Amino acid sequence: EIVMTQSPATLSVSPGERATLSCGASQSVSSYLAWYQQKPGQAPRLLIYGASTRATGIPARFSGGGSETEFTLTISSLQSEDFAVYYCQQYNKWPQTFGQGTKVEIK
Amino acid sequence: EVQLVESGGGLVQPGGSLRLSCAASGFTFISYSLNWVRQAPGKGLEWLSYISPSSSSIYYADSVKGRFTISRDNAKNSVYLQMNSLRDEDTAVYYCARGEGDIVVLVAAIRGNWFDSWGQGTLVTVSS
Repeated sequence: EIVMTQSPATLSVSPGERATLSCGASQSVSSYLAWYQQKPGQAPRLLIYGASTRATGIPARFSGGGSETEFTLTISSLQSEDFAVYYCQQYNKWPQTFGQGTKVEIK
Repeated sequence: EVQLVESGGGLVQPGGSLRLSCAASGFTFISYSLNWVRQAPGKGLEWLSYISPSSSSIYYADSVKGRFTISRDNAKNSVYLQMNSLRDEDTAVYYCARGEGDIVVLVAAIRGNWFDSWGQGTLVTVSS
């Protein structure tokens, strides 16, 4: 099983600042990597797939990068609605696996 | 608008069974794979099971293999998760999620999928 490791566990950021979240894979997943946002009491929402393609309706301030084993999600200027938990997920090999999540909180 | 609505959750004793349903609307159901993903209280996301559009390809996480069974009825636009031999650690919110990006060759999905639409989830509590 491919283990996905996200860092940091918690990121404290001020509104308007840039946030960079990391996701590492225990073996190469090529570009088969997705990112999700989850707010309390809500289902996850797809942000990025294919490591860098924004899903429909996702603002341009969200960008994804990386390949093979190292990936990043960058939020260029944090808005109030962006404070949430973010998960990465690999879908290159079965079983599909998620990272443990990064909580982005208000500094 | 894509909609996925889960139902069937509730309180069940350890060793018991439960059947979850997910009713889909707003898209061509037969064209998409479906998945079940769960989230234990205060924990992260765990993928559980995948079923291809024609049901020819099915996968499970090791944690539920042999206990859970995924199925779909394309005539009813629904996907199901039969859960047997439930354990305390199966307590979670269970989400149905539509899959995109998978590639099915003959009867095998050679790769997984990302989840582009999710239901609101249904809570399963396993406790005596």
